[in-house]
Amino acid sequence: DTAVSQTPKYLVTQMGNDKSIKCEQNLGHDTMYWYKQDSKKFLKIMFSYNNKELIINETVPNRFSPKSPDKAHLNLHINSLELGDSAVYFCASARESYNEQFFGPGTRLTVL
Amino acid sequence: QKEVEQNSGPLSVPEGAIASLNCTYSDRGSQSFFWYRQYSGKSPELIMSIYSNGDKEDGRFTAQLNKASQYVSLLIRDSQPSDSATYLCAVKMDSSYKLIFGSGTRLLVRP
Repeated sequence: DTAVSQTPKYLVTQMGNDKSIKCEQNLGHDTMYWYKQDSKKFLKIMFSYNNKELIINETVPNRFSPKSPDKAHLNLHINSLELGDSAVYFCASARESYNEQFFGPGTRLTVL
Repeated sequence: QKEVEQNSGPLSVPEGAIASLNCTYSDRGSQSFFWYRQYSGKSPELIMSIYSNGDKEDGRFTAQLNKASQYVSLLIRDSQPSDSATYLCAVKMDSSYKLIFGSGTRLLVRP
């Protein structure tokens, strides 16, 4: 009965590879988010979708592309991975875009 | 100037004491304020939200908001070692979908 789930939990890959992280929420929320938390623990918004529509698109490299097939899912695809992409990526969801956000368990990405 | 500022700590308090965590924000239009707790290696967990000036209490936690001073705080009464974590302050403007996080304050509760 996990509320916000992410797969995989850990991802170790080589520079230049392409990888995807998946997120699903079973809370019936309309809005979903992707955050990046770097080694200094600073949590920064990357993208947000509301009812499958992109509403936040922060200044991130074009190599990052979110996709929302339906309002319960928000995936993150990363092309041509770089060392600096190593971080923990969190998915979150909220009932409406102005409401409290609930976070998934995170995906620790390590690029070698 | 950072949008949401917190002292990184660590803030060390003895078990049973009151821990006081502070946060200031730069945008006067901010309307929604949240406190998250993050244990090492875990995801942020929402513990309090506050939307109007004054105090809001929930168990051992009290959030305080002063919009005129652009200041929000979290008090933890009867601190326990299990409260040891990083506490993240997050601020949202009503006109924006974005939640802006501070860099967090690390709290250590000594047994």
